[in-house]
Amino acid sequence: LAKTTQPISMDSYEGQEVNITCSHNNIATNDYITWYQQFPSQGPRFIIQGYKTKVTNEVASLFIPADRKSSTLSLPRVSLSDTAVYYCLVGDSPDTGRRALTFGSGTRLQVQP
Amino acid sequence: DARVTQTPRHKVTEMGQEVTMRCQPILGHNTVFWYRQTMMQGLELLAYFRNRAPLDDSGMPKDRFSAEMPDATLATLKIQPSEPRDSAVYFCASSAEWLSVSGANVLTFGAGSRLTVL
Repeated sequence: LAKTTQPISMDSYEGQEVNITCSHNNIATNDYITWYQQFPSQGPRFIIQGYKTKVTNEVASLFIPADRKSSTLSLPRVSLSDTAVYYCLVGDSPDTGRRALTFGSGTRLQVQP
Repeated sequence: DARVTQTPRHKVTEMGQEVTMRCQPILGHNTVFWYRQTMMQGLELLAYFRNRAPLDDSGMPKDRFSAEMPDATLATLKIQPSEPRDSAVYFCASSAEWLSVSGANVLTFGAGSRLTVL
């Protein structure tokens, strides 16, 4: 099981860039890295996914170093509506027999005005 | 916008009663997950299915919990008898064909069923 470690909480101000780093030291060859966002009273929502190097979409960027033992979610110019819990997931196919898609404790991001 | 539908959204029951939560996965998604979320434990994976067959239910207390997929459009999670410690938000999620070669998959979650057992 690829265990992940994230900071428990982070604070930021509107307009700033926020970087949340996740450690996953025992990531396996087939594992992708996926980030989810969860607002109160809602289910987690997919943000971005990557395997290596850098991935960017309209919401965020994901940076993955060559050794893939960590990843960094980057949120450009956050707003109050980005206040949420962010989860890093490292998942593999259940065909390999490994228990997949276990969420860690997440990072609670609080954006202040 | 395709979505995962869960019912009921809220359920209050008394200890010892049977509780059934239902989930309609996104049409065409063949992998379905049940998670439980509490303040203390966070998001716990209870069970998941692929093509309606259970792949892993090791996260479920077997004596009182059961999960099934009677057909491709319905997944159920049943608790009998319910206990106060089962109070939590239960999420269902679905995913398209599991890409076993690439290992990539994206889960779409429902809004959850908030269960309170008195």
